[in-house]
Amino acid sequence: QQQVKQSPQSLIVQKGGISIINCAYENTAFDYFPWYQQFPGKGPALLIAIRPDVSEKKEGRFTISFNKSAKQFSLHIMDSQPGDSATYFCAASRGQAGTALIFGKGTTLSVSS
Amino acid sequence: EPEVTQTPSHQVTQMGQEVILRCVPISNHLYFYWYRQILGQKVEFLVSFYNNEISEKSEIFDDQFSVERPDGSNFTLKIRSTKLEDSAMYFCASNYNPGTGELFFGEGSRLTVL
Repeated sequence: QQQVKQSPQSLIVQKGGISIINCAYENTAFDYFPWYQQFPGKGPALLIAIRPDVSEKKEGRFTISFNKSAKQFSLHIMDSQPGDSATYFCAASRGQAGTALIFGKGTTLSVSS
Repeated sequence: EPEVTQTPSHQVTQMGQEVILRCVPISNHLYFYWYRQILGQKVEFLVSFYNNEISEKSEIFDDQFSVERPDGSNFTLKIRSTKLEDSAMYFCASNYNPGTGELFFGEGSRLTVL
């Protein structure tokens, strides 16, 4: 119940293309769903996050789509750039400070120029 | 821009030795966390800490692990008797606003147990 399942494990996209990463969760107590971006040798950094009261959130080229009934959410990166090449982690938590953030296994994105 | 700082960046130790990893969270943050990432795997929650006590801990955080905030700035993770499987990158994180849930991570301390 604590798992967050993420796919695909790796993704290669042409520059300018759309990158799509999917995640699924089981625990209905989760109410905060962030995506973190991690570059080699660095800690994860928050990219974008959503709460289940909305079905979509967009920030620049990054969009989260959220399907509460299916318990799934996804990250779309529009107009993918080589600088987007990184590992992306979806995560979920009960949304309160001090509670555990449960991460997916990560997706390594490579954007080819 | 405020950041979470961690020391050491890399520590090599012999199995059975004690290790202390140090973190300085962002100064006005109230909640502190340790996560670990075994090479090539996902980031795993270890423990959260608030108001000088543990808020939540995972199954990984057994009796060999302890956390402490010895003064107003440092937050430490101690591993009492290291095992080979403790080799990982350990990330400290902090946050302030209970509403957003956003965690700010440090760059990590790589622990290698031989």
